[in-house]
Amino acid sequence: NAGVTQTPKFQVLKTGQSMTLQCAQDMNHEYMSWYRQDPGMGLRLIHYSVGAGITDQGEVPNGYNVSRSTTEDFPLRLLSAAPSQTSVYFCASSTGTGPGYTDTQYFGPGTRLTVL
Amino acid sequence: GDSVTQMEGPVTLSEEAFLTINCTYTATGYPSLFWYVQYPGEGLQLLLKATKADDKGSNKGFEATYRKETTSFHLEKGSVQVSDSAVYFCALSERGYQKVTFGTGTKLQVIP
Repeated sequence: NAGVTQTPKFQVLKTGQSMTLQCAQDMNHEYMSWYRQDPGMGLRLIHYSVGAGITDQGEVPNGYNVSRSTTEDFPLRLLSAAPSQTSVYFCASSTGTGPGYTDTQYFGPGTRLTVL
Repeated sequence: GDSVTQMEGPVTLSEEAFLTINCTYTATGYPSLFWYVQYPGEGLQLLLKATKADDKGSNKGFEATYRKETTSFHLEKGSVQVSDSAVYFCALSERGYQKVTFGTGTKLQVIP
């Protein structure tokens, strides 16, 4: 099991550019989520998904889009990057509310994004 | 809404010192409580958890007890090591829901 994988590990963008942060998990987890981590603010939820085809907004969704076409993948799209989006981004997954339910989150290693 | 408050860091301790990191929470229901740890350059990983009042979670010498009466989940370790240097996050999730609310994190530095 690779667990939760994220690519790229580092990325530098210019203001206005777009990009997609990739996230994949091989644990057949229903629930996946994206967080950003900023100094002094902990982790803030951007978007989440409770299963393929279902997504919803978290605490700080503006400037980000997500889709969930498969159970395994949950990409995060930055539409037009801004310096305020400079952060470390973490993807996480958990089993969901079905059989085998557990509320433990499994995190990827993160993507460090700098927007100039 | 739900919230988690934990002590600000950084916390600097000498090796073999006793560690306490305070965490209190506000929740509408009966949440599960967690401590996650983030080592430098890595993602978060679960350290321990407790799912109901008076439960004690423990792992790697760390302990935390779910105190409903004081809405607290303080993290303790009797003797810290240099390898415990990391950022520690207190968190909660409401029962049956997957969304997690995190505290702001407490950085621990252990010096030899």
